[in-house]
Amino acid sequence: QVQLQESGPGLVKPSQTLSLTCNVSGGSISTAGYYWSWIRQQPGKGLEWIGYIYYSGYTYYNPSLKSRVTISKDSSKNQFSLKLTSVTAADTAVYYCARDPKEGKFDFWGQGTLVTVSS
Amino acid sequence: EILMTQSPATLSVSPGERATLSCRATQIISNRVAWYQHKPGQPPRLLIYGASTRASGIPARFSGSGSGTDFTLTISSLQSEDFAVYYCQQYHDWPPYNFGQGTKLEIK
Repeated sequence: QVQLQESGPGLVKPSQTLSLTCNVSGGSISTAGYYWSWIRQQPGKGLEWIGYIYYSGYTYYNPSLKSRVTISKDSSKNQFSLKLTSVTAADTAVYYCARDPKEGKFDFWGQGTLVTVSS
Repeated sequence: EILMTQSPATLSVSPGERATLSCRATQIISNRVAWYQHKPGQPPRLLIYGASTRASGIPARFSGSGSGTDFTLTISSLQSEDFAVYYCQQYHDWPPYNFGQGTKLEIK
């Protein structure tokens, strides 16, 4: 059973960079065919896909966030990471990492981590 | 970009009754729709994919239907644990992955 677990600071100051890591167990992020995504839910809102990194290292970002997002991976640690720059209060959200088995749907999710942007 | 619209925003149903949730795509997407259940403090849970295929471990009271642009999630006999927010998501044309805005299923 694949398990994902997010980690990172729960509080980030405005204009700074939000950094989160997703540790994956029970499966390798380097296994061919899998996409590893970050998704968030702002307070009172729905789910917003942020971007993914493919097993090969290819990345794709939501156009609405593209200028501020970087997703990378460390295969040796079996984890992938999110960096979101120049954050504002609007970036306050629960951030999830999730897996797409190359089918366009998300079958495994992390528990989510709340990140608050505040001074 | 294909957008998904869910209705109603909130649905009030009594335990034991049937709930019907709707999702409409802005373009034809064949059967490339997934449904998720989301409870507070938990991650979303994949319920249905391919419009009508239940994910592993999902009870038979959950069923999905539809094709083209209009899709439905039906919960045949609501249990207390089914009250949650439900999202549809298209995967006909991705990325980006687009979710609907959600339907909150509440106890009547």
